[in-house]
Amino acid sequence: GESVGLHLPTLSVQEGDNSIINCAYSNSASDYFIWYKQESGKGPQFIIDIRSNMDKRQGQRVTVLLNKTVKHLSLQIAATQPGDSAVYFCAENIGGGWDSGGYQKVTFGTGTKLQVIP
Amino acid sequence: DARVTQTPRHKVTEMGQEVTMRCQPILGHNTVFWYRQTMMQGLELLAYFRNRAPLDDSGMPKDRFSAEMPDATLATLKIQPSEPRDSAVYFCASGLVRTGNTEAFFGQGTRLTVV
Repeated sequence: GESVGLHLPTLSVQEGDNSIINCAYSNSASDYFIWYKQESGKGPQFIIDIRSNMDKRQGQRVTVLLNKTVKHLSLQIAATQPGDSAVYFCAENIGGGWDSGGYQKVTFGTGTKLQVIP
Repeated sequence: DARVTQTPRHKVTEMGQEVTMRCQPILGHNTVFWYRQTMMQGLELLAYFRNRAPLDDSGMPKDRFSAEMPDATLATLKIQPSEPRDSAVYFCASGLVRTGNTEAFFGQGTRLTVV
């Protein structure tokens, strides 16, 4: 039969507009969340992270929001640029004790493809 | 500029052959991860090490895959025998987990094709 790959949701954004990429995570015990960016032919690159005891964290042009009630994470990119075109993954750390360097298992979501229209 | 180095970048091999992928983590990092990326499954965690000791390899098919860290500067992922379904991009990542920062730095990956 025909093999079917993952269907990546795609977000198309005009250059200069803000982008919002959403992610639903699965494990209520996850204590740490990370957003990664992956450009074609490269490995994932860390963008920003947030601990489960926070609701919001800001970086340079990026903001991550965490809603633990509905297990939802979002990445907001301000003034989107062509160089932001990539696949974006949210990842969750499942397990406890990471502050002390204990068990730490980071699993990735399926990703969202961001296309920036010049 | 510190980076994770993976070799080889590309590997084509015949089914049944042994494949060894190598990773040089960033100096000083105490945690090393192996991930596999395919169109079908996305990014899957295969195994990870802390201070060279394997902490979790539950994502790895045990019968044919093995991961080791002979020393702090080298991590290896071996497949024996390889099968066409092992075709994927294999990423190594390293990080320093001490104060709670779990930022992982990824290498460029090894693209494996088993024919």
